[in-house]
Amino acid sequence: SAVISQKPSRDICQRGTSLTIQCQVDSQVTMMFWYRQQPGQSLTLIATANQGSEATYESGFVIDKFPISRPNLTFSTLTVSNMSPEDSSIYLCSVVWGSSYEQYFGPGTRLTVT
Amino acid sequence: EDQVTQSPEALRLQEGESSSLNCSYTVSGLRGLFWYRQDPGKGPEFLFTLYSAGEEKEKERLKATLTKKESFLHITAPKPEDSATYLCAVPHSNSNSGYALNFGKGTSLLVTP
Repeated sequence: SAVISQKPSRDICQRGTSLTIQCQVDSQVTMMFWYRQQPGQSLTLIATANQGSEATYESGFVIDKFPISRPNLTFSTLTVSNMSPEDSSIYLCSVVWGSSYEQYFGPGTRLTVT
Repeated sequence: EDQVTQSPEALRLQEGESSSLNCSYTVSGLRGLFWYRQDPGKGPEFLFTLYSAGEEKEKERLKATLTKKESFLHITAPKPEDSATYLCAVPHSNSNSGYALNFGKGTSLLVTP
């Protein structure tokens, strides 16, 4: 099966700064997504990363706060901008192959904002 | 409104003590129900997809079943290595992208020797 990697695996950041998280897949995928998992909570979809066009954001998430890029079929980035302690979460990318709804997840990036 | 509810929130079993986890859902037009396993500090690991009532799937000590309103994850003779959080999810019926998964809060399973 394909390998999904994320960088960094964890980081501690100061309030007001930004962090860019990378997601790399070792084979081409149909779709890529970014989720957030806040402490003690389940996963919430932030946006769908669209290749060559603007990401599709879910209700409650905006491009200015979470800009996303997807330059090709195997790579995407999520930036968490102007961070506050409320942004402390695990950020996960997931991918879909073909037309299935089955999503496969990366290992996650644990972000702590102080 | 789409809802996914999992019970119990936490479950402690002795090794070999079989049990079931429940996932009840409310969604317009089910396009699959997904089970994942999540270990601490890791991303969810895909286990099963079920598409229609009556469908069953098995993997080692796990068996997932589906009705029109709920799904069960049966764990037979569990071992300590089965300890994890088990998540179920269904595709949102009102997602902006059409592919968003609506996750339950999970059941945290602990199997003791």
